[in-house]
Amino acid sequence: DIQMTQSPSSLSASVGDRVTITCRASQGISNYLAWYQQKPGRVPNLLIYAASTLQSGVPSRFSGGGSGTDFTLTISSLQPEDVATYYCQKYDSAPFTFGPGTKVDL
Amino acid sequence: EVQLVESGGGLIQPGGSLRLSCAASEVTVGSNDMGWVRQTPGKGLEWISIIYFKKPYYADNVKGRFTISRDSSQNTLILQMNSLRAEDTALYYCARLIKFKGFDMWGQGTMVTVSS
Repeated sequence: DIQMTQSPSSLSASVGDRVTITCRASQGISNYLAWYQQKPGRVPNLLIYAASTLQSGVPSRFSGGGSGTDFTLTISSLQPEDVATYYCQKYDSAPFTFGPGTKVDL
Repeated sequence: EVQLVESGGGLIQPGGSLRLSCAASEVTVGSNDMGWVRQTPGKGLEWISIIYFKKPYYADNVKGRFTISRDSSQNTLILQMNSLRAEDTALYYCARLIKFKGFDMWGQGTMVTVSS
């Protein structure tokens, strides 16, 4: 099975900082990669799909990139409401494995 | 309003069984790929099962113990969980998978606690 890893596991940044999270698949998954945001005590929310397409309603400060095995999620200017844990997930085929998550704090 | 509502969680002894349900509104369970994701308190998301292109799939650690199905008459997704273990303790989410998007719709979750 394909394994998903993320780095870093956590980070602290200031409001306005540019933040980048990396996700790596152990084998190629083309662009079948989604990013989810989960705020404390809340349900996960789809942010980005197909590696780089923003879900409707997601602020443009979020962007995604990559293909194959290496992917990134970037927040261009971190806002207080972006404090959350971010997960990547492969959805090309079962198993639909999630990465371990990256916790973003201020 | 489009929503998924899970139910059936609770406290169960190790070795016991539970049946989780996910009732869908404005979404036809039989026409969508629907699955279950769980989250141990304070931990990450774990995909455990899905009906994908009409076939069931399971994570290795629940295969043989959990069964996913759907009741089209009730527009409900079901997860039958047998031989429960302490490590199955988690918040169980129902979610819809869109082939080219991922899980775009989630329920609020139902908590399962396996403990004696």
